[in-house]
Amino acid sequence: GENVEQHPSTLSVQEGDSAVIKCTYSDSASNYFPWYKQELGKGPQLIIDIRSNVGEKKDQRIAVTLNKTAKHFSLHITETQPEDSAVYFCAAFLDSNYQLIWGAGTKLIIKP
Amino acid sequence: NAGVMQNPRHLVRRRGQEARLRCSPMKGHSHVYWYRQLPEEGLKFMVYLQKENIIDESGMPKERFSAEFPKEGPSILRIQQVVRGDSAAYFCASSPTVNTEAFFGQGTRLTVV
Repeated sequence: GENVEQHPSTLSVQEGDSAVIKCTYSDSASNYFPWYKQELGKGPQLIIDIRSNVGEKKDQRIAVTLNKTAKHFSLHITETQPEDSAVYFCAAFLDSNYQLIWGAGTKLIIKP
Repeated sequence: NAGVMQNPRHLVRRRGQEARLRCSPMKGHSHVYWYRQLPEEGLKFMVYLQKENIIDESGMPKERFSAEFPKEGPSILRIQQVVRGDSAAYFCASSPTVNTEAFFGQGTRLTVV
């Protein structure tokens, strides 16, 4: 079945610097890749997503890239701010079982 | 359009009692997913439902756990005879179709004492 690996598990960056979180997936049939942000005590919130027919997508300071050949996708956050501190989850969707398969999460810490 | 509503936000049960967790999906969403999350861990899929149907319950324990999504009313996740190990945050998400963005509720934090 599908497996999603996410790295790093913890990432600490200086405010204003960029942060990159990477995920790899195993099933080449996966076709939808969302990223979620979860703040303490809250539910995950979708921040950006990408489909397999697109290589890159941007939304202000956030971007996602997808390399279908290598089966990996990455979240890029530029000009990081304190409010970016949270746990970020990647996921991959497989049509065959109608499920999102989740990465284990990355705790992003923005140092002032 | 209200978001996904879960209640209660916090639930305390004694061992052996029943826990009922409710989830009202966003308006127009007919797909509901339940997840469990332990502190400092990721989301574990439990069950995927559409109106009146369980599509995939492969992540849900066979014993004591059940879920439903009736034609009218919220989706219910029911845990019978709770044990300490059931203590966790339970999240519900909904989407209008498969393979589209899923919106999460704020979760129900179950504590078994």
